[in-house]
Formats: sequence, C-alpha cells, structure tokens
Amino acid sequence: DQQVKQNSPSLSVQEGRISILNCDYTNSMFDYFLWYKKYPAEGPTFLISISSIKDKNEDGRFTVFLNKSAKHLSLHIVPSQPGDSAVYFCAASGSSNTGKLIFGQGTTLQVKP
Amino acid sequence: NAGVTQTPKFRILKIGQSMTLQCTQDMNHNYMYWYRQDPGMGLKLIYYSVGAGITDKGEVPNGYNVSRSTTEDFPLRLELAAPSQTSVYFCASSHGGTIYEQFFGPGTRLTVL
Repeated sequence: DQQVKQNSPSLSVQEGRISILNCDYTNSMFDYFLWYKKYPAEGPTFLISISSIKDKNEDGRFTVFLNKSAKHLSLHIVPSQPGDSAVYFCAASGSSNTGKLIFGQGTTLQVKP
Repeated sequence: NAGVTQTPKFRILKIGQSMTLQCTQDMNHNYMYWYRQDPGMGLKLIYYSVGAGITDKGEVPNGYNVSRSTTEDFPLRLELAAPSQTSVYFCASSHGGTIYEQFFGPGTRLTVL
C-alpha cells in the first residue's frame, strides 16, 4: 500500500529547458508535502515544501504545485542545469507533529549539457 | 558544524550477528529519525525520537532497536541480522520549528550475508 507514488523512475531533459517531476498520493489526511534531492553516496537534502493550504510555492528556479482534488503535486525546475542531475523524492506528512514522512520511490533526473 | 554524522560508512555482517549504527548531530535538534532505503525504493522510517528519552516506532521497526539518552546521539541497534536488512541506512534530524525539513547524514551501507 504505497501512499506516495512517483510513477516515473527517470527523466531526461536538455540544459535550459523545464524539468517537471510528478508525485501522486492517496491519503487525504496528508497536509504537508516536500521535495528532497539526493546525489549518489550522499544523504537527501531538503529542497522545497508546500502546505495543503497553498497551491503553489516558489523558490528561485524551483516551484512546487499542489492539486489537492487530484491528490497530485509536481516540481518544476526552470531552467534546468546539469548540476540538477540527481534523484528527487517527494514526501508527505499528516498533522502528527512528529516529523514522520512518507516518501515516494524517487525519480532520477538527468540534465544533459 | 558537522551536521549529522554516521558511522560506519560501510559494513558487512554475517547472518545472526549484531551491530550498532551510530548517529550524532551537533545542531541541537530535538527530532531525530532512522530511515532505510532499499534499491529503487524510497526511504522508509524505522524509528524516530522527539527528544531525549522519547522514541517511537516508524513504518518498519521489526528487527531494530533504538535509544536516545542524549540530544546529540541516536544509535540504531540491529539484533540477529538477516539478509532482508541489507540496505542503506540514513539518520536525520530536524528542528522543532521546521520538523519536516530534515537534515540527513551520508548513510551507512549495510550488507548481510
């Protein structure tokens, strides 16, 4: 029973173009969503987050969109850079105040020069 | 600040052996977490702690134990190692004000043969 799903294992885009990574969830109690980025042989690093009371959050080249009715969120990277090549995980949490996160399987993004 | 440090980086165990994965953070974070990541999968929460002396189970606690005697340290104990525990283990911590924005260590790659 996978509550957070990233259905695309990999994505390849050209440098300078937009990268769109998608994530679906099933639990309507989730109210906070995050994206983490992971390079090989390193731990994940926090990238951007969004609360369920918003539908968009922007931080520089990164924008996260949330569609609650569709239980879908997406991460847009514009413009994409070779240094963005990494595995991206979406994660979700309910209002437990414990920090517990449910992660998706990850999408490997390759940005070609 | 060293952030979150984990030792060892790599370990090979025989079936039935025991070991402790060490995790230390120097950010004075109250919240700490242990995750495991299996190949091609997302991170799954093993145990978490909301402060010294307080621990609780995550999604996949069987075969593991934790303790939290200080704010800085959160060791993970594997008793009677099994091949199913072959994985990469990540420790993370977060501040009380932003509990979902977790800081991860570099991971421990464990193989059980």
